[in-house]
Amino acid sequence: QVQLVQSGAEVKKPGASVKVSCKASGYTFTSYGISWVRQAPGQGLEWMGWISAYNGNTNYAQKLQGRVTMTTDTSTSTAYMELRSLRSDDTAVYYCARVLLPGWFDPWGQGTLVTVSS
Amino acid sequence: QPVLTQPPSASASLGASVTLTCTLSSGYSNYKVDWYQQRPGKGPRFVMRVGTGGIVGSKGDGIPDRFSVLGSGLNRYLTIKNIQEEDESDYHCGADHGSGSNFVLWVFGGGTKLTVL
Repeated sequence: QVQLVQSGAEVKKPGASVKVSCKASGYTFTSYGISWVRQAPGQGLEWMGWISAYNGNTNYAQKLQGRVTMTTDTSTSTAYMELRSLRSDDTAVYYCARVLLPGWFDPWGQGTLVTVSS
Repeated sequence: QPVLTQPPSASASLGASVTLTCTLSSGYSNYKVDWYQQRPGKGPRFVMRVGTGGIVGSKGDGIPDRFSVLGSGLNRYLTIKNIQEEDESDYHCGADHGSGSNFVLWVFGGGTKLTVL
């Protein structure tokens, strides 16, 4: 079955960087894009960006421009999201999701908790 | 880009029906909206997409027939009939902003927490 499995929880200090992985299985990785979405504690969903697994094209949310980089490794069907210059308000659960051509997200990964604390 | 607005909470009794609303900002009445269910402690799960003509495409895997959608004007509705305990979740609406497969960005509403009484 189609599945996205993310890397484990991370604890980082302010100013550090974090890189979260998302390994896809059960479908042709390069046929779909991957989006990253985060959810701060008790809050709603916030779209972070999108990457085409076909050609590596990206679109990032304006508020994260300059701090986020999304990449893919087609040899391992894995997507990565790196966030730099971490702040306390970056503490959140980070999700990857496959983007189907009509534009919806299905399925989602299980989430990765990133805690930013001194 | 569109702004999506959802009431923060809703409640319904076991076996009853409830309708959740997602409202698009002015000027975006032709936009389709996606509904996602997020059970406590879990990641979101795609429910279905809705436009002014109703459902677009198919429901997500395992979504029961009790879930249905409608769209009117700026509002996109998710109705759950014969509510079960497992329906107690946060429900998020989202929309993509772009042209065809040229995705530019996505936006989400604040989510509605559904409590089953």
